[in-house]
Amino acid sequence: GDSVTQMEGPVTLSEEAFLTINCTYTATGYPSLFWYVQYPGEGLQLLLKATKADDKGSNKGFEATYRKETTSFHLEKGSVQVSDSAVYFCALESASKIIFGSGTRLSIRP
Amino acid sequence: EAEVAQSPRYKITEKSQAVAFWCDPISGHATLYWYRQILGQGPELLVQFQDESVVDDSQLPKDRFSAERLKGVDSTLKIQPAELGDSAMYLCASSYDRDQPQHFGDGTRLSIL
Repeated sequence: GDSVTQMEGPVTLSEEAFLTINCTYTATGYPSLFWYVQYPGEGLQLLLKATKADDKGSNKGFEATYRKETTSFHLEKGSVQVSDSAVYFCALESASKIIFGSGTRLSIRP
Repeated sequence: EAEVAQSPRYKITEKSQAVAFWCDPISGHATLYWYRQILGQGPELLVQFQDESVVDDSQLPKDRFSAERLKGVDSTLKIQPAELGDSAMYLCASSYDRDQPQHFGDGTRLSIL
């Protein structure tokens, strides 16, 4: 069945460092791809999405490009801030159902 | 922006007891979802409603879990009897329609003693 695999955390970086969180997927057809963020004690918020190959989703300085050839949707940010500390989930939508990865916890040191 | 409301935020109960969670979706959203998120994992869909009808409950443990959305607005998820393995965050989400972006509530954290 469809699935999402993302890099295990925790990931700890210093402020202003470059961030990459890897995500690959397995799916039949051409799913939409998402990154969600979950801050402590809160629900999930949609961070960005891409609906077709080569689309780039972006929001709040984060970017991810839908790569069909490598079935990947890696999350990047050029300069992280302490406020970016959270858990990040890669997800795909197939047949109106969202399938989430297991999440990557990101901690940013001041 | 309007939010998905969930209550309670936290629930601690003993195994074998009954527990219920409530969700009020964003006004006008036809699709409502209940997810279970075990600590350290991503959310897993338990049940999906389109208006008052269940469209997917394939992952709902129906021997102990039930969900309803009688008037197609707010929804209740119930567990009876609760088991230790039910300890998790229960998240509700809603969307304007299927295939539209889902908006999540802050969840109910359930601890079974």
